[in-house]
Amino acid sequence: NAGVTQTPKFRVLKTGQSMTLLCAQDMNHEYMYWYRQDPGMGLRLIHYSVGEGTTAKGEVPDGYNVSRLKKQNFLLGLESAAPSQTSVYFCATQGRAGRDEQFFGPGTRLTVL
Amino acid sequence: KNQVEQSPQSLIILEGKNCTLQCNYTVSPFSNLRWYKQDTGRGPVSLTIMTFSENTKSNGRYTATLDADTKQSSLHITASQLSDSASYICVVSDNNDMRFGAGTRLTVKP
Repeated sequence: NAGVTQTPKFRVLKTGQSMTLLCAQDMNHEYMYWYRQDPGMGLRLIHYSVGEGTTAKGEVPDGYNVSRLKKQNFLLGLESAAPSQTSVYFCATQGRAGRDEQFFGPGTRLTVL
Repeated sequence: KNQVEQSPQSLIILEGKNCTLQCNYTVSPFSNLRWYKQDTGRGPVSLTIMTFSENTKSNGRYTATLDADTKQSSLHITASQLSDSASYICVVSDNNDMRFGAGTRLTVKP
């Protein structure tokens, strides 16, 4: 039972390059989230999904796209990376919205040069 | 302005001592408040969750309190251990969204 896993753990990109971050969960949770964490700031929600085939924008969605083709996977894409997207990205899952606990992945550290 | 403010930003204590971390929020309507522990290089892990009607919740040496009237919460750590060194994040939910505080960085020294 791996819980929530993220791939890759680290990545360095040049400005303008694209990449996809993968989040996988084996807890059969409906809700999945992508956050970014920057120094001195709280985690900020990028996009989220309330079930397979659905996605929605969070607080800071610009420059990112997501897909939830399978219930267990939530992909975060950067089409044209910018230095402002240098951050640590966390995926989280939740069984039901509200009181259910969110389970976080280990994070992906992305640097855009 | 962040709707969840935590203090202090950082704190250093000696092993075995107690400490209290603060969280003030303006999120409304209030649904629940969670405290998370985040070890360096890891994702956050839930410690406690409280709803409007709960004013205290314990998890081992961690005790969270909530005053919904003043919109304040605290996390008290008793008999600190080196493994308590981490960031502690307060998260307040309204009916739809979760708002994260910036966290308090706690360092426990031997």
